Amino acid sequence: KAGVTQTPRYLIKTRGQQVTLSCSPISGHRSVSWYQQTPGQGLQFLFEYFSETQRNKGNFPGRFSGRQFSNSRSEMNVSTLELGDSALYLCASSLAFEGHEQYFGPGTRLTVT
Amino acid sequence: DQQVKQNSPSLSVQEGRISILNCDYTNSMFDYFLWYKKYPAEGPTFLISISSIKDKNEDGRFTVFLNKSAKHLSLHIVPSQPGDSAVYFCAASANNQGGKLIFGQGTELSVKP
Repeated sequence: KAGVTQTPRYLIKTRGQQVTLSCSPISGHRSVSWYQQTPGQGLQFLFEYFSETQRNKGNFPGRFSGRQFSNSRSEMNVSTLELGDSALYLCASSLAFEGHEQYFGPGTRLTVT
Repeated sequence: DQQVKQNSPSLSVQEGRISILNCDYTNSMFDYFLWYKKYPAEGPTFLISISSIKDKNEDGRFTVFLNKSAKHLSLHIVPSQPGDSAVYFCAASANNQGGKLIFGQGTELSVKP
């Protein structure tokens, strides 16, 4: 069974631009969560989607948004990029909303210049 | 407010010996705990988990112990192998928070031959 895939793997953007990252969960998994990893803050939860509905949201500004499609694929969007948004963005999938084991993709490395 | 803490940023162990990684938490609503292993530039890999109704869970060389009264969990790796060298994260979730994982800051394990 294929794992979680994320595209693109690497991205360079300039301040003020916006970016969209994509995540395809493991086949059959219906819950997708997004995390941001930075050296200073570690791994921080962004949001979780299940059945196309956002179920949980972390403590991030409204510039960070996401959505989930009917095939469980998910996208996250960051608008008006800031230098501090440079990070590894990780997507994880699990079988169900209450499924605690989450399986991570390789991440998208975003660099904002 | 660091709800999940890994107080040792690094740990060095000789091959064949036991590695013990520790994690403390403050939120009494957490009822599920997980350990992940991470290599640079890759997503975290799920290792083992434990529910708050148990105090021990084993999977091969990996054993997780949970002490609810002390709000402490530990991961034991026996015997340690050089391929175990990586950053280990503990994570916790609360049942009413679905798939929102709160991560510790990580412990870098180095297993020397």
